Amino acid sequence: DTAVSQTPKYLVTQMGNDKSIKCEQNLGHDTMYWYKQDSKKFLKIMFSYNNKELIINETVPNRFSPKSPDKAHLNLHINSLELGDSAVYFCASSQHALGYTFGSGTRLTVV
Amino acid sequence: AQTVTQSQPEMSVQEAETVTLSCTYDTSENNYYLFWYKQPPSRQMILVIRQEAYKQQNATENRFSVNFQKAAKSFSLKISDSQLGDTAMYFCAFTNLNTDKLIFGTGTRLQVFP
Repeated sequence: DTAVSQTPKYLVTQMGNDKSIKCEQNLGHDTMYWYKQDSKKFLKIMFSYNNKELIINETVPNRFSPKSPDKAHLNLHINSLELGDSAVYFCASSQHALGYTFGSGTRLTVV
Repeated sequence: AQTVTQSQPEMSVQEAETVTLSCTYDTSENNYYLFWYKQPPSRQMILVIRQEAYKQQNATENRFSVNFQKAAKSFSLKISDSQLGDTAMYFCAFTNLNTDKLIFGTGTRLQVFP
């Protein structure tokens, strides 16, 4: 059973399009996150949600909008995609910093 | 601000040998957690080892162990009996219960040679 699953694994799209990445966790964790890994492999947090409530928003453009319908799901919607949005996006979940479990990542390529 | 520094962009080691990856961090907090994550070419982020700052004993997980020096804010990872499957990017990360977010270092690319 996959603990944190995100879809799709790969996403290639044109500039200006709108796309979504979905994430689900079956660990019963209260907190979920989106991290972005750039071309130099640097990982940085974008958002965190605790029990459907937005906790962290790390200076991310308004074009990025997370949505958490319940505590097991955290989706990421991106409007008006730009070349600079190309990256690997990781979903993760945790319970009180005891351990963070990551999804397998979504490689987004904007052409 | 809390920061994590990995000063070794790349390391290499021969199979069966031991290698140590360095990590330093900066925080004014007293209670926090430190992690080492492995990212192989498959890009999956895999937890290698975890250390609670209030524990003086260094964490170990099979061939992986840490040298946690709280006063020096140092958290190095030692890999013993290196295996080809250890080839990966290794990320040091920090969190505390107040922020509840992982702050990552820039990573060390480890290559294990036969």
